[in-house]
Amino acid sequence: GNSVTQMEGPVTLSEEAFLTINCTYTATGYPSLFWYVQYPGEGLQLLLKATKADDKGSNKGFEATYRKETTSFHLEKGSVQVSDSAVYFCALTLSGGYQKVTFGTGTKLQVIP
Amino acid sequence: DTGVSQDPRHKITKRGQNVTFRCDPISEHNRLYWYRQTLGQGPEFLTYFQNEAQLEKSRLLSDRFSAERPKGSFSTLEIQRTEQGDSAMYLCASSPKETQYFGPGTRLLVL
Repeated sequence: GNSVTQMEGPVTLSEEAFLTINCTYTATGYPSLFWYVQYPGEGLQLLLKATKADDKGSNKGFEATYRKETTSFHLEKGSVQVSDSAVYFCALTLSGGYQKVTFGTGTKLQVIP
Repeated sequence: DTGVSQDPRHKITKRGQNVTFRCDPISEHNRLYWYRQTLGQGPEFLTYFQNEAQLEKSRLLSDRFSAERPKGSFSTLEIQRTEQGDSAMYLCASSPKETQYFGPGTRLLVL
């Protein structure tokens, strides 16, 4: 079956620190990969996506590169801000037909001033 | 606001009562999904509609749960005879193709 494994949190960083949240996946087909973010009290928002190997998704200073050889999609940001504090979910869908999203368990990020 | 909307945002009910949630997708999206998210976990797929047709139901969707999407527009999710284990955030998402856009969710608490 399909699954997503991401590093457990919480992750606590000082403002302007470098962020990496690891994500690896298992898929029966050729997936598209996503990072979603959930701010406190809010719904899920799409942060970035990549649909094929070696693609890099980027948004709001966050980046992730689709690595087929290591089945990974790690999230990075060079300098985090307090406003980045949220829960980050790595996810995948399979291409073709309908695509239910398979999510990881989420990684809580807390950025302190 | 042209995003996915859900109503109500919060629902508190007593065990054994029935509850119904509504989702209004982005208007041009023909695909609609329901997910359930419990505390500290990622969302889990419940069911999927393409237009008005319900094409898949997860094994998580017991016979107490029913979902509809009349006319392929809004959708409702009903839970009959609620149990404390039904307490969760119920998320709706819609998509035109592969990227799903989520609503704010309905948080259900069963006492």
